Amino acid sequence: ETGVTQTPRHLVMGMTNKKSLKCEQHLGHNAMYWYKQSAKKPLELMFVYSLEERVENNSVPSRFSPECPNSSHLFLHLHTLQPEDSALYLCASSQEQGAWETQYFGPGTRLLVL
Amino acid sequence: KQEVTQIPAALSVPEGENLVLNCSFTDSAIYNLQWFRQDPGKGLTSLLLIQSSQREQTSGRLNASLDKSSGRSTLYIAASQPGDSATYLCAVNAGGTSYGKLTFGQGTILTVHP
Repeated sequence: ETGVTQTPRHLVMGMTNKKSLKCEQHLGHNAMYWYKQSAKKPLELMFVYSLEERVENNSVPSRFSPECPNSSHLFLHLHTLQPEDSALYLCASSQEQGAWETQYFGPGTRLLVL
Repeated sequence: KQEVTQIPAALSVPEGENLVLNCSFTDSAIYNLQWFRQDPGKGLTSLLLIQSSQREQTSGRLNASLDKSSGRSTLYIAASQPGDSATYLCAVNAGGTSYGKLTFGQGTILTVHP
């Protein structure tokens, strides 16, 4: 499989559940990103990892917990979410962490919080 | 705080027309600007990346221009086809960080009728 993959593609969870989103990139990249795309709002950067080290946390609530065990995998652990957290969560990767790098996006996980 | 606006929000045209999508940003101190395409149920695909020192980039039927001083970019699509139907997103990279921190517009939904 090539490019950036995300699982699951769709997720429905209650506010008391704990779930995790997974992202895997097969491009040999060193930087990975989590974005949130809500209805009627622009894509928002959540987290940036470079060489498995978090370099950005864009004021994201603690109920979202990222994990990057290696440069190919990125997780987003979810717990006690709110209905307003329902959105499309997109993962991306780039060769390096530089501002000049093109980011390659996965298909996203559509999350619904009930 | 950088803000990116895209006009129009939606556009419907017959096949074969040439069309222009507009993007404006409030802070002209950008590192680069990217145009992405997003298909339903899929992630983002990078179309064109313009560095701040460049005026335009071309790829096939697509041409993107950048006027950094006025905070504007346009995406020109020649001889539109039904396969061009998608959401087009503009994103600016403000630089000033060691990684790609993109600020996105809300997108233009394009429909090309056969």
